[in-house]
Amino acid sequence: DTGVSQDPRHKITKRGQNVTFRCDPISEHNRLYWYRQTLGQGPEFLTYFQNEAQLEKSRLLSDRFSAERPKGSFSTLEIQRTEQGDSAMYLCASGAVGGDGTDTQYFGPGTRLTVL
Amino acid sequence: DQQVKQNSPSLSVQEGRISILNCDYTNSMFDYFLWYKKYPAEGPTFLISISSIKDKNEDGRFTVFLNKSAKHLSLHIVPSQPGDSAVYFCAASAIRADKLIFGTGTRLQVFP
Repeated sequence: DTGVSQDPRHKITKRGQNVTFRCDPISEHNRLYWYRQTLGQGPEFLTYFQNEAQLEKSRLLSDRFSAERPKGSFSTLEIQRTEQGDSAMYLCASGAVGGDGTDTQYFGPGTRLTVL
Repeated sequence: DQQVKQNSPSLSVQEGRISILNCDYTNSMFDYFLWYKKYPAEGPTFLISISSIKDKNEDGRFTVFLNKSAKHLSLHIVPSQPGDSAVYFCAASAIRADKLIFGTGTRLQVFP
């Protein structure tokens, strides 16, 4: 296994269109996270799954955003009616809770979204 | 409310010298801390972590120090190499919590 993969790497869309991103985590990891990063900022948490259950959603995740992880493996993040403010790097990470409760997250390469 | 702060946006160090990157946090519930390195157009790469039961963790050229009373941690890179030039992010979480809180990053440049 070579790590977390994301598809596509780049997406350019027009305002108002819907977009969907896919993340494939490291196979033995049961936790999958989505973050968003804008220029000059660190990644900001959006949502996370443990297996197929979505356990937490940030208030950054408006009603236009939806994430799924139907079989506890890959995940999709959909943005409906995109806005220019949605332009960002969308990062996926996966992790597994360690014996001491720590959770190191490993990131994919990201999907760069540009909304025109 | 910026719970994790990296007050130095950039740092320039000569090759072979020590690089020290600093991070402060405000939330006393944080007890697991990580450093990530990020190159342009790539995702963050995990470097090293430390839990609050320790005050130091070392991995090769990288050492992280944690001062819980001051709510401060630092990353030392010795010796610095040109390939270390990247943006470094500090991140924190509470054990068994569900998300990482990141700082805004410090851009490290290592010159010959």
